[in-house]
Amino acid sequence: EPEVTQTPSHQVTQMGQEVILRCVPISNHLYFYWYRQILGQKVEFLVSFYNNEISEKSEIFDDQFSVERPDGSNFTLKIRSTKLEDSAMYFCAASDGFEAFFGQGTRLTVV
Amino acid sequence: AQKVTQAQTEISVVEKEDVTLDCVYETRDTTYYLFWYKQPPSGELVFLIRRNSFDEQNEISGRYSWNFQKSTSSFNFTITASQVVDSAVYFCALSEAGTTDSWGKLQFGAGTQVVVTP
Repeated sequence: EPEVTQTPSHQVTQMGQEVILRCVPISNHLYFYWYRQILGQKVEFLVSFYNNEISEKSEIFDDQFSVERPDGSNFTLKIRSTKLEDSAMYFCAASDGFEAFFGQGTRLTVV
Repeated sequence: AQKVTQAQTEISVVEKEDVTLDCVYETRDTTYYLFWYKQPPSGELVFLIRRNSFDEQNEISGRYSWNFQKSTSSFNFTITASQVVDSAVYFCALSEAGTTDSWGKLQFGAGTQVVVTP
Protein backbone atom coordinates (compact mmCIF):
# COMPACT_ATOMS: atom_id res chain seq x y z
CA GLU A 1 0.00 0.00 0.00
CA PRO A 2 1.48 3.37 -1.00
CA GLU A 3 2.46 5.67 1.81
CA VAL A 4 1.33 8.75 -0.06
CA THR A 5 -1.52 8.87 -2.56
CA GLN A 6 -1.99 11.63 -5.10
CA THR A 7 -5.08 12.49 -7.09
CA PRO A 8 -5.69 12.89 -9.93
CA SER A 9 -2.94 11.02 -11.74
CA HIS A 10 -3.38 13.24 -14.78
CA GLN A 11 -5.17 16.55 -15.16
CA VAL A 12 -5.66 18.65 -18.25
CA THR A 13 -6.72 22.24 -17.75
CA GLN A 14 -7.11 25.36 -19.80
CA MET A 15 -4.73 28.24 -19.33
CA GLY A 16 -6.01 30.66 -16.74
CA GLN A 17 -8.02 28.06 -14.86
CA GLU A 18 -7.46 27.15 -11.24
CA VAL A 19 -6.31 23.64 -10.38
CA ILE A 20 -6.07 21.81 -7.09
CA LEU A 21 -3.79 18.84 -6.73
CA ARG A 22 -4.43 16.53 -3.82
CA CYS A 23 -2.26 14.37 -1.67
CA VAL A 24 -3.21 11.98 1.11
CA PRO A 25 -0.29 11.11 3.35
CA ILE A 26 -0.13 8.51 6.06
CA SER A 27 -1.67 9.85 9.25
CA ASN A 28 1.47 10.03 11.39
CA HIS A 29 3.38 12.11 8.88
CA LEU A 30 3.95 15.65 10.08
CA TYR A 31 5.96 17.26 7.30
CA PHE A 32 4.70 17.72 3.78
CA TYR A 33 6.27 18.83 0.55
CA TRP A 34 5.48 19.59 -3.03
CA TYR A 35 7.94 19.11 -5.86
CA ARG A 36 7.70 19.88 -9.55
CA GLN A 37 9.32 18.21 -12.52
CA ILE A 38 9.03 19.87 -15.90
CA LEU A 39 9.23 17.26 -18.64
CA GLY A 40 12.78 16.08 -19.16
CA GLN A 41 14.17 18.12 -16.30
CA LYS A 42 15.10 17.49 -12.71
CA VAL A 43 12.79 17.34 -9.76
CA GLU A 44 12.61 20.72 -8.02
CA PHE A 45 11.51 21.58 -4.51
CA LEU A 46 8.52 23.91 -4.29
CA VAL A 47 7.42 24.14 -0.68
CA SER A 48 7.50 22.48 2.71
CA PHE A 49 4.64 22.59 5.17
CA TYR A 50 4.58 21.85 8.87
CA ASN A 51 2.17 22.58 11.68
CA ASN A 52 -0.32 24.12 9.28
CA GLU A 53 2.02 26.64 7.83
CA ILE A 54 4.66 26.94 5.16
CA SER A 55 8.12 26.36 6.61
CA GLU A 56 10.08 26.99 3.45
CA LYS A 57 9.40 27.80 -0.18
CA SER A 58 11.49 28.09 -3.30
CA GLU A 59 11.60 30.92 -5.81
CA ILE A 60 9.29 28.92 -8.04
CA PHE A 61 6.53 29.06 -5.43
CA ASP A 62 5.15 32.50 -6.24
CA ASP A 63 1.78 34.08 -5.45
CA GLN A 64 0.05 31.84 -7.96
CA PHE A 65 0.67 28.87 -5.70
CA SER A 66 -0.81 28.04 -2.33
CA VAL A 67 -0.90 25.01 -0.08
CA GLU A 68 -3.16 23.95 2.71
CA ARG A 69 -4.24 21.00 4.75
CA PRO A 70 -7.89 21.85 5.20
CA ASP A 71 -9.18 18.77 7.00
CA GLY A 72 -6.08 17.39 8.69
CA SER A 73 -5.63 14.67 6.13
CA ASN A 74 -5.57 15.97 2.57
CA PHE A 75 -2.67 18.18 1.62
CA THR A 76 -3.37 20.32 -1.42
CA LEU A 77 -1.48 22.44 -3.90
CA LYS A 78 -3.52 25.11 -5.64
CA ILE A 79 -2.40 26.95 -8.74
CA ARG A 80 -4.64 29.95 -9.03
CA SER A 81 -4.36 30.85 -12.71
CA THR A 82 -2.46 28.26 -14.64
CA LYS A 83 0.07 29.14 -17.32
CA LEU A 84 1.41 26.94 -20.06
CA GLU A 85 4.73 26.69 -18.23
CA ASP A 86 2.99 25.13 -15.22
CA SER A 87 2.70 21.94 -17.24
CA ALA A 88 4.74 19.44 -15.28
CA MET A 89 4.64 16.42 -13.02
CA TYR A 90 3.88 17.42 -9.45
CA PHE A 91 5.01 15.17 -6.64
CA CYS A 92 3.81 15.29 -3.08
CA ALA A 93 6.05 13.94 -0.34
CA ALA A 94 5.45 13.35 3.34
CA SER A 95 7.89 12.74 6.15
CA ASP A 96 7.72 11.45 9.69
CA GLY A 97 10.88 13.39 10.48
CA PHE A 98 13.16 10.56 9.45
CA GLU A 99 12.25 9.55 5.95
CA ALA A 100 10.38 11.10 3.05
CA PHE A 101 7.84 9.18 1.00
CA PHE A 102 6.85 10.33 -2.45
CA GLY A 103 3.49 9.97 -4.08
CA GLN A 104 3.17 8.64 -7.60
CA GLY A 105 2.78 12.13 -9.04
CA THR A 106 0.13 14.16 -10.84
CA ARG A 107 0.83 15.04 -14.44
CA LEU A 108 -0.60 18.49 -15.10
CA THR A 109 -1.08 19.58 -18.69
CA VAL A 110 -2.07 23.18 -19.35
CA VAL A 111 -3.48 23.82 -22.81
CA ALA B 1 25.29 26.75 -6.57
CA GLN B 2 24.47 23.30 -7.82
CA LYS B 3 24.67 20.87 -4.96
CA VAL B 4 24.16 17.55 -6.70
CA THR B 5 25.90 16.91 -9.98
CA GLN B 6 25.17 14.03 -12.28
CA ALA B 7 27.48 14.70 -15.16
CA GLN B 8 26.28 11.82 -17.32
CA THR B 9 23.18 12.81 -19.24
CA GLU B 10 22.61 9.45 -20.89
CA ILE B 11 24.27 6.05 -20.79
CA SER B 12 23.47 3.35 -23.31
CA VAL B 13 24.46 -0.25 -22.68
CA VAL B 14 23.66 -3.65 -24.04
CA GLU B 15 21.87 -6.05 -21.77
CA LYS B 16 24.12 -7.83 -19.24
CA GLU B 17 26.68 -5.06 -19.25
CA ASP B 18 27.41 -3.24 -16.02
CA VAL B 19 26.63 0.44 -15.77
CA THR B 20 27.90 2.95 -13.22
CA LEU B 21 26.16 6.24 -12.56
CA ASP B 22 28.17 9.04 -11.04
CA CYS B 23 26.94 11.46 -8.41
CA VAL B 24 28.97 14.24 -6.85
CA TYR B 25 27.49 16.39 -4.14
CA GLU B 26 28.36 19.54 -2.30
CA THR B 27 27.37 20.42 1.24
CA ARG B 28 28.76 22.22 4.26
CA ASP B 29 26.78 20.09 6.66
CA THR B 30 28.43 17.20 8.45
CA THR B 31 25.09 15.42 8.76
CA TYR B 32 23.19 14.73 5.58
CA TYR B 33 21.45 12.02 3.61
CA LEU B 34 22.06 10.86 0.09
CA PHE B 35 19.48 9.11 -2.03
CA TRP B 36 19.02 7.39 -5.33
CA TYR B 37 15.66 7.27 -7.08
CA LYS B 38 14.61 5.52 -10.25
CA GLN B 39 12.07 7.12 -12.55
CA PRO B 40 10.71 4.67 -15.12
CA PRO B 41 8.83 5.87 -18.21
CA SER B 42 5.58 5.75 -16.22
CA GLY B 43 6.87 8.73 -14.25
CA GLU B 44 6.76 7.78 -10.59
CA LEU B 45 9.79 8.11 -8.34
CA VAL B 46 10.94 4.78 -7.01
CA PHE B 47 13.09 4.96 -3.90
CA LEU B 48 16.25 2.86 -4.16
CA ILE B 49 18.47 3.79 -1.25
CA ARG B 50 19.12 6.30 1.49
CA ARG B 51 22.56 6.63 3.06
CA ASN B 52 23.50 8.88 5.95
CA SER B 53 26.75 10.79 6.01
CA PHE B 54 28.20 8.76 8.85
CA ASP B 55 27.85 5.44 7.12
CA GLU B 56 30.48 5.01 4.44
CA GLN B 57 30.02 1.32 4.05
CA ASN B 58 29.31 0.27 0.52
CA GLU B 59 26.00 -1.44 0.03
CA ILE B 60 24.81 -4.16 -2.27
CA SER B 61 21.21 -5.05 -2.95
CA GLY B 62 20.79 -7.68 -5.59
CA ARG B 63 22.19 -6.28 -8.84
CA TYR B 64 22.49 -2.81 -7.34
CA SER B 65 25.49 -1.51 -5.44
CA TRP B 66 26.49 1.86 -4.10
CA ASN B 67 29.90 3.34 -3.44
CA PHE B 68 29.91 6.24 -0.99
CA GLN B 69 33.19 8.16 -0.64
CA LYS B 70 33.14 11.24 1.53
CA SER B 71 36.72 12.11 0.58
CA THR B 72 35.58 12.80 -2.98
CA SER B 73 31.97 13.75 -2.12
CA SER B 74 30.68 11.02 -4.38
CA PHE B 75 27.89 8.49 -4.13
CA ASN B 76 28.05 6.32 -7.22
CA PHE B 77 25.57 3.67 -8.22
CA THR B 78 26.30 0.53 -10.20
CA ILE B 79 23.85 -1.79 -11.88
CA THR B 80 25.42 -5.16 -12.52
CA ALA B 81 24.30 -7.31 -15.44
CA SER B 82 21.83 -4.71 -16.67
CA GLN B 83 18.40 -5.69 -17.94
CA VAL B 84 15.97 -3.93 -20.25
CA VAL B 85 13.74 -3.20 -17.25
CA ASP B 86 16.54 -1.07 -15.82
CA SER B 87 15.92 1.50 -18.55
CA ALA B 88 14.90 4.63 -16.68
CA VAL B 89 16.12 7.98 -15.44
CA TYR B 90 18.08 7.72 -12.22
CA PHE B 91 18.29 10.64 -9.84
CA CYS B 92 20.74 11.24 -7.05
CA ALA B 93 19.55 13.54 -4.27
CA LEU B 94 20.78 15.18 -1.09
CA SER B 95 19.03 16.34 2.03
CA GLU B 96 20.81 18.36 4.65
CA ALA B 97 20.38 18.61 8.40
CA GLY B 98 18.90 21.74 9.81
CA THR B 99 15.45 21.51 11.17
CA THR B 100 13.51 18.29 11.33
CA ASP B 101 11.56 19.16 8.23
CA SER B 102 14.80 19.41 6.30
CA TRP B 103 14.90 15.68 5.81
CA GLY B 104 12.10 15.77 3.31
CA LYS B 105 13.57 18.67 1.37
CA LEU B 106 15.63 16.95 -1.25
CA GLN B 107 17.92 18.55 -3.78
CA PHE B 108 17.99 16.45 -6.89
CA GLY B 109 20.61 16.08 -9.54
CA ALA B 110 19.70 16.47 -13.18
CA GLY B 111 19.34 12.74 -13.62
CA THR B 112 20.99 10.17 -15.86
CA GLN B 113 18.97 8.40 -18.53
CA VAL B 114 19.95 4.74 -18.74
CA VAL B 115 19.03 2.91 -21.91
CA VAL B 116 19.48 -0.84 -21.92
CA THR B 117 19.05 -2.54 -25.27
CA PRO B 118 18.58 -6.28 -25.74
